[in-house]
Amino acid sequence: DIQMTQSPSTLSAFVGDRVTITCRASQSVSNWLAWYQQKPGKAPKLLISLASNLESGVPSRFSGSGSGTEFTLTISSLQPDDFATYYCQQYNVYPWTFGQGTKVEAK
Amino acid sequence: QITLKESGPTLVKPTQTLTLTCTLSGLSVSTRGVGVGWIRQPPGKALEWLAVIYWDDDKRYSPSLKSRLTITKDTSKNQVVLTMTNMDPVDTATYYCAHRAYYDRSGLDYWGQGTLVTVSS
Repeated sequence: DIQMTQSPSTLSAFVGDRVTITCRASQSVSNWLAWYQQKPGKAPKLLISLASNLESGVPSRFSGSGSGTEFTLTISSLQPDDFATYYCQQYNVYPWTFGQGTKVEAK
Repeated sequence: QITLKESGPTLVKPTQTLTLTCTLSGLSVSTRGVGVGWIRQPPGKALEWLAVIYWDDDKRYSPSLKSRLTITKDTSKNQVVLTMTNMDPVDTATYYCAHRAYYDRSGLDYWGQGTLVTVSS
């Protein structure tokens, strides 16, 4: 199985901050990488597919980059609605695997 | 509007078999390119992918759970069913079904609300 490792596990930030989350794969997943946002008690929401393709309706302050084994999710200016847990997922090969999550909390 | 909804028991006993149903609306499980997967999340923990079934009946499973899982689709009811045998308390989790548009090369773009399954005697 491909292991996905996110860092940091928890991130404390102020509204307006630029936030970056890293996701590393144990082997190359090309660009078959998705990012999700999950709020407590809710289902995950797809933000980005194919490492950098922003899903329809997702604010442009979210962006993704990377390929191969290293990926980043960036929030250019953190908004109150962005406090949540973020997961990366590779879907290059089965079994699909998720990172352990990064919780973005208010500082 | 595409929606998915999970249904099934909220409580199962150890060793029992869990059967969960995902009912789709706004898209058909038999439409070319449609995939439906199951993902679970133990309380306070990360997401874990379980299985996926595609419009052409191609099925993939998590190797660690493959011996316990079966995924099927019922085109007449527009449903996807997941069965998991020999349930254990460690299988306590919220179970989600989610859609993947295979030819769009996207991730899991539509999710059900999830259903919490507790395994306890």
